[in-house]
Amino acid sequence: DGGITQSPKYLFRKEGQNVTLSCEQNLNHDAMYWYRQDPGQGLRLIYYSQIVNDFQKGDIAEGYSVSREKKESFPLTVTSAQKNPTAFYLCASKDGRSYEQYFGPGTRLTVT
Amino acid sequence: QQQVKQSPQSLIVQKGGISIINCAYENTAFDYFPWYQQFPGKGPALLIAIRPDVSEKKEGRFTISFNKSAKQFSLHIMDSQPGDSATYFCAASMSSWTASKLTFGTGTRLQVTL
Repeated sequence: DGGITQSPKYLFRKEGQNVTLSCEQNLNHDAMYWYRQDPGQGLRLIYYSQIVNDFQKGDIAEGYSVSREKKESFPLTVTSAQKNPTAFYLCASKDGRSYEQYFGPGTRLTVT
Repeated sequence: QQQVKQSPQSLIVQKGGISIINCAYENTAFDYFPWYQQFPGKGPALLIAIRPDVSEKKEGRFTISFNKSAKQFSLHIMDSQPGDSATYFCAASMSSWTASKLTFGTGTRLQVTL
């Protein structure tokens, strides 16, 4: 069963703690993306990666970090430097030959 | 330059009616325009997409209309059903961008009533 998985679905953390969100895909896609979704603001790009061991900052990268050690995995770390981390985080992937991005089910992070 | 403006913010349509959502863009280099459908608590799902070399694309009850000169595109949902109630996002990308980054509109919450 091919697709993108994100875990956990819900995540709760105390302010000041780093937290890592998981994203795995078995679609053999080259590119992977992390977006943040807030009410009324659409989706905003945090980081993206076109190939293993390479990634670029998106529009709102401050306070976040990523790694791409394997083609199928693109974890996102929300650091304590992120001022407003509570949001719905979405991972996506894309085959290198097409424009179409496919999204995972998302992780809702709540920081108190 | 990179914005995509979407309207309306919310929309209520009766069952069987036509839902119309509009998007406008400024950057003429955009050359890929997808629409995504998102249900509460779920990730967005690609619904339909268009390239600027055509003015219309239809898939079932969903149609994208594209006006290159006006820099606008719209989603039409014919015979709207309660199951279509969701949030819809337009987006745009350009082939010159590395990794085809998408710029999203702010979303339209559609409610289809009985």
